[in-house]
Amino acid sequence: DTAVSQTPKYLVTQMGNDKSIKCEQNLGHDTMYWYKQDSKKFLKIMFSYNNKELIINETVPNRFSPKSPDKAHLNLHINSLELGDSAVYFCASSLTGGNTEAFFGQGTRLTVV
Amino acid sequence: SQQGEEDPQALSIQEGENATMNCSYKTSINNLQWYRQNSGRGLVHLILIRSNEREKHSGRLRVTLDTSKKSSSLLITASRAADTASYFCATDANYGQNFVFGPGTRLSVLP
Repeated sequence: DTAVSQTPKYLVTQMGNDKSIKCEQNLGHDTMYWYKQDSKKFLKIMFSYNNKELIINETVPNRFSPKSPDKAHLNLHINSLELGDSAVYFCASSLTGGNTEAFFGQGTRLTVV
Repeated sequence: SQQGEEDPQALSIQEGENATMNCSYKTSINNLQWYRQNSGRGLVHLILIRSNEREKHSGRLRVTLDTSKKSSSLLITASRAADTASYFCATDANYGQNFVFGPGTRLSVLP
């Protein structure tokens, strides 16, 4: 059983399109995250949710909209994709925020052409 | 902004040698964690050390934490080719709400 699974693994799309990435965790964790990893491997927090409630929104363009239908799911919808959105997006979860270990999904490599 | 900074950025060693990576951070922390990322994969948690701990071991891994210097080190002993990966330190941030990662150290272990 995969602890944190995100789909799709690869996503190639044209500029201006709208796309979604889905994430599910089966660990019973309260907190879920989206991180963006750029071409230089920097990992930057985008959003953090705790029990379906948005906790952190780190200066992310409002074209990015997370949605958490329940505490096991955190999806990421991106409108009007731009070239600069190309990156690897990681979903993660932890039991209770930043004081416990995080489990990461395998990542979604988004390429905007 | 990045909280942690790893040093060196890249490290290349022979199998069997020890590898040491360092992490410095800027603000007070409750804990510091180390993660490994194999190429094309997600991050895997290695070890968590709390601010009141100075040293922690897990198998071939040894982590130290010096809160007075705001630094931590990860030592991998008797390295193997399978240890080739990027290693990231992460500190808690936003009152423990999330993690902030350093830029990582790329370790290459040559057979």
